[in-house]
Amino acid sequence: RKEVEQDPGPFNVPEGATVAFNCTYSNSASQSFFWYRQDCRKEPKLLMSVYSSGNEDGRFTAQLNRASQYISLLIRDSKLSDSATYLCVVGYSSASKIIFGSGTRLSIRP
Amino acid sequence: GAVVSQHPSRVICKSGTSVKIECRSLDFQATTMFWYRQFPKQSLMLMATSNEGSKATYEQGVEKDKFLINHASLTLSTLTVTSAHPEDSSFYICSAPTSGEQYFGPGTRLTVT
Repeated sequence: RKEVEQDPGPFNVPEGATVAFNCTYSNSASQSFFWYRQDCRKEPKLLMSVYSSGNEDGRFTAQLNRASQYISLLIRDSKLSDSATYLCVVGYSSASKIIFGSGTRLSIRP
Repeated sequence: GAVVSQHPSRVICKSGTSVKIECRSLDFQATTMFWYRQFPKQSLMLMATSNEGSKATYEQGVEKDKFLINHASLTLSTLTVTSAHPEDSSFYICSAPTSGEQYFGPGTRLTVT
């Protein structure tokens, strides 16, 4: 079983739609959680950290359920510029080792 | 935010040769850096953890004699792909943590012909 699992997609949705991504992780000792965004042939960029209390940044909302070992990302009012691959990332210690999920491709159509 | 650079950004080499990729933290010191590899349409796979002043820690399945890592200073880690083969063609990315965040280099695209 992979340490971090995501639906690979692709998700193809119209502009303005709401889209949700899910992710599960296998190691209950995981300590930190993130969503990264990666554009084609570029390095990944941090989108947001994920906290148990849930957190929101503009159109983006992330949730963490430690009991279920489940992480989610919700994008509201999607824009064309949101088209990218979204990576669920889990960290294991203060040494900052992080493990990436396989990524979910999102394509927003006009 | 912090800046991590990689050099070269793109390299083409012949099968059997060795290639060195540099990862530098430009405005902070990093005792630890991470090396990832990404094949087309796949996610980043952690290859190894580079530790300043000590041996690198390799992930399972990564050949330490093929992927040599040297973390000679607090701002520089190098990855050398020895005796490269076409199957080593990939996107290699390094990262370094600071202030609770992970900063990624822009990546090096290696093509082995």
